[in-house]
Order: sequence, then C-alpha cells, then structure tokens
Amino acid sequence: QVQLQEAGPGLVKPSGTLSLTCAVSSDSFSSINWWSWVRQPPGKGLEWLGQIYYTGSAHYNPSLKTRVTISLDKSKNQLSLRVNSVTAADTAMYYCARHLSYSFGFWGQGALVTVSS
Amino acid sequence: QSALTQPASVSGSPGQSITISCTGTSSDFGPCNCVSWYQHHPGEAPKLMIYDVSDRPSGISNRFSGSKSGNTASLTISGLQAEDEADYYCTSYTSSDTYVFGTGTKVTVL
Repeated sequence: QVQLQEAGPGLVKPSGTLSLTCAVSSDSFSSINWWSWVRQPPGKGLEWLGQIYYTGSAHYNPSLKTRVTISLDKSKNQLSLRVNSVTAADTAMYYCARHLSYSFGFWGQGALVTVSS
Repeated sequence: QSALTQPASVSGSPGQSITISCTGTSSDFGPCNCVSWYQHHPGEAPKLMIYDVSDRPSGISNRFSGSKSGNTASLTISGLQAEDEADYYCTSYTSSDTYVFGTGTKVTVL
C-alpha cells in the first residue's frame, strides 16, 4: 500500500516561502512514477500545482509556474514543494499524490498552510 | 488555464442514478483518454473513483462509471447511497502536459 505524508510549517508570513515535504513509502519511491502537488484553498476547489517524474523532469501549472518548484530527494524518499512570494491567496490544504496512469491515484492526508503575519 | 465546468450541485434520492458532467475544450482533454474523477469528503483526502475516462481502481464500487463524448466527460453514480454524499471533481491531462481540475460538484442524497 502506497503511503504519503505531508509535513511542514503551518504558518508562513506574506512574501515568504512556503516549503513542504512529502514522505513516501520506500518501495513506491523506487519505482517509475509521476508525483504531483495539489491544493485546496478554504471553501474553494482543487488546484493542480505541478508534477515531477522520477527522473526529475517537472511540469507546472502555468498560473503559478514562476513561483513553484517541485523536487525529489530519492535518498530520503521525499518529494518537496516550494512556493515563493506567498500571499493570503496561497492559504490552503496542500496534498501530495502519486499518479496512477494519468490520474492522482494515491494521496497524502494533506497539510494546512496559512499565510498570515 | 481555466477550470473544467461542472454543475455546482446534483441531488438524488437513495437508489436513484445521477450523472455529473465535466465540460472543457479540445485542448483541455488533450490527446488521450486522460479524464479522472475524485470523491472528496470534508476533512479527508480526495479519493480516486475513475481514471482513464472509465476505469475503476481496485476497491471502487461498480456503481461508479465514467464516459466521455467530445469535450464532455461524465460520472454516473447508480444506486445512490447516503455515503455517496460528497464533493466530486473531474480532472484532465491537457495537451500542454498539465492537469486541470473541474469546478467541483456537491452531491446531495435526499
């Protein structure tokens, strides 16, 4: 069973950088997979942030491309997300997910990040 | 990229069937049958219900089915049950190697 667990600061100051990690069960991380980050602002719908392949190749949501970076650390079985220059609009529940074909087949429980001074 | 369009809400009585639509452009739906559907209960992680337009992951009830015609995908829930009450989202892999979610549909079991 694939297991993913997000972690990171729950509070980030405006104009700062949001950083989250996603711990992945080791057997899953060693196989060929795509991984994504998805977020949901309070009271709003789901938004795809970007994806990364096990080789490190990444694609990003065009609306966030200049502010988002997704990376892999295979030695730590870990997926990371960075969002720069955050505002209150970046307040959301953030999820990491492993793909199943062209879908998000396995999800973490999510990490709530609030942007506030 | 704009979100795919879904009805804000759909309701039905227990045992009935309901269908949720998901409309976009030809670019939104890309070169493949890459539409998926998610069930989202508040406070929980979203759950994959349908992938590749009409395939069900292991453990998902056959009461859930998916289809696609042109630029509209659909999720049908048959034999509606109280536990099906949730938010549902479609998503598609686009021709730009990105994903786009639908606006979301709240399903209410009357």
